[in-house]
Amino acid sequence: AQSVTQPDIHITVSEGASLELRCNYSYGATPYLFWYVQSPGQGLQLLLKYFSGDTLVQGIKGFEAEFKRSQSSFNLRKPSVHWSDAAEYFCAVLFTGGGNKLTFGTGTQLKVEL
Amino acid sequence: KAGVTQTPRYLIKTRGQQVTLSCSPISGHRSVSWYQQTPGQGLQFLFEYFSETQRNKGNFPGRFSGRQFSNSRSEMNVSTLELGDSALYLCASSFSPAGSSYNEQFFGPGTRLTVL
Repeated sequence: AQSVTQPDIHITVSEGASLELRCNYSYGATPYLFWYVQSPGQGLQLLLKYFSGDTLVQGIKGFEAEFKRSQSSFNLRKPSVHWSDAAEYFCAVLFTGGGNKLTFGTGTQLKVEL
Repeated sequence: KAGVTQTPRYLIKTRGQQVTLSCSPISGHRSVSWYQQTPGQGLQFLFEYFSETQRNKGNFPGRFSGRQFSNSRSEMNVSTLELGDSALYLCASSFSPAGSSYNEQFFGPGTRLTVL
């Protein structure tokens, strides 16, 4: 079955520390991959996306993600976290033939300690 | 360019009632998708409309329905509300219904529905 897993429900990091949020998917081919961020009371904002090509993709707000086919992973990283990065982060997948139907992971709530 | 707008932002209903939520996509966007977000089930796809036709549907009961108008605005309706329908309903718009690197989906702020 097609699925997306975010193993970490909550993560706490200190401001200025590096961040890595994990995302794994289960699918027989390479899907389209996305990371979204949601602040309280807000909709979802796209951070970055991977469709093909270079496996390291750069996004907004200093985020990057690396696609690893062998591990079926698409982990989100940031070298130095800012207090304003505190939010919930969702990994999402668009499976082939699914139109615009996004399948989301359960989300990772990021807390930033000052 | 204005973003995706959803109305109302907050709604309180009682069990058994029905509700209609509205979504206005970004100008020029013809595809509208709806998602339900709850603490227990997370973000789940409801359906997608393009050119007034439902193109894709998630695993929700028939109480959940939608439609799209000729100006691409979309509404979703939930009949016979249940407590479990309390959720944030998000709408997303995109230019076309095909997943591609040029077809980013933009999300609205959502409608918070509370069923009492």
